[in-house]
Amino acid sequence: DAGVIQSPRHEVTEMGQEVTLRCKPISGHDYLFWYRQTMMRGLELLIYFNNNVPIDDSGMPEDRFSAKMPNASFSTLKIQPSEPRDSAVYFCASSLWDTEAFFGQGTRLTVV
Amino acid sequence: AQKVTQAQTEISVVEKEDVTLDCVYETRDTTYYLFWYKQPPSGELVFLIRRNSFDEQNEISGRYSWNFQKSTSSFNFTITASQVVDSAVYFCALRYSSASKIIFGSGTRLSIRP
Repeated sequence: DAGVIQSPRHEVTEMGQEVTLRCKPISGHDYLFWYRQTMMRGLELLIYFNNNVPIDDSGMPEDRFSAKMPNASFSTLKIQPSEPRDSAVYFCASSLWDTEAFFGQGTRLTVV
Repeated sequence: AQKVTQAQTEISVVEKEDVTLDCVYETRDTTYYLFWYKQPPSGELVFLIRRNSFDEQNEISGRYSWNFQKSTSSFNFTITASQVVDSAVYFCALRYSSASKIIFGSGTRLSIRP
């Protein structure tokens, strides 16, 4: 298996633009997590899905953030409109219910 | 509250020294899992070890060892004879059965000086 695949690896966008981050989990994994990493806040869990259903989105910072998982092999995290304070590394991870999570390489987002 | 605390923000040691990274967790669940991850300067998150709440046996893997003590809610990580390649940020994480989400500690930045 190729592991968790995220795209793009880097994204630079202007404030106010829409940003979409993509994730392909490991085949067979039924949990998918989105994390954000910043120096100030560390690794924050934004949202996670089980069997494509959002279970807990309490970590999503505000309504500008939304996440979907239309099928078992694809998820998106969207920010609209983006702001400079959204600049961070966004990680996607997948797992089975009682195992460790495997992480993608991350997307480094810069909003200018 | 479900929480992971890594009180050591940064540690710097000279190569070949032993170093222990502390992790203290809080959970109301009786079934839970603890993990350690390594984040080298390249940025990826690398899984190192998993322990479940029913297995307090310590584990050794080469120069790495882990000490899990439920009595003190701790899951500490020791690197023996440290090497420069061990320089990274190390994260402790908790997954508890009632929610099955994974929460991370704030990480410990480990620097190994040659």
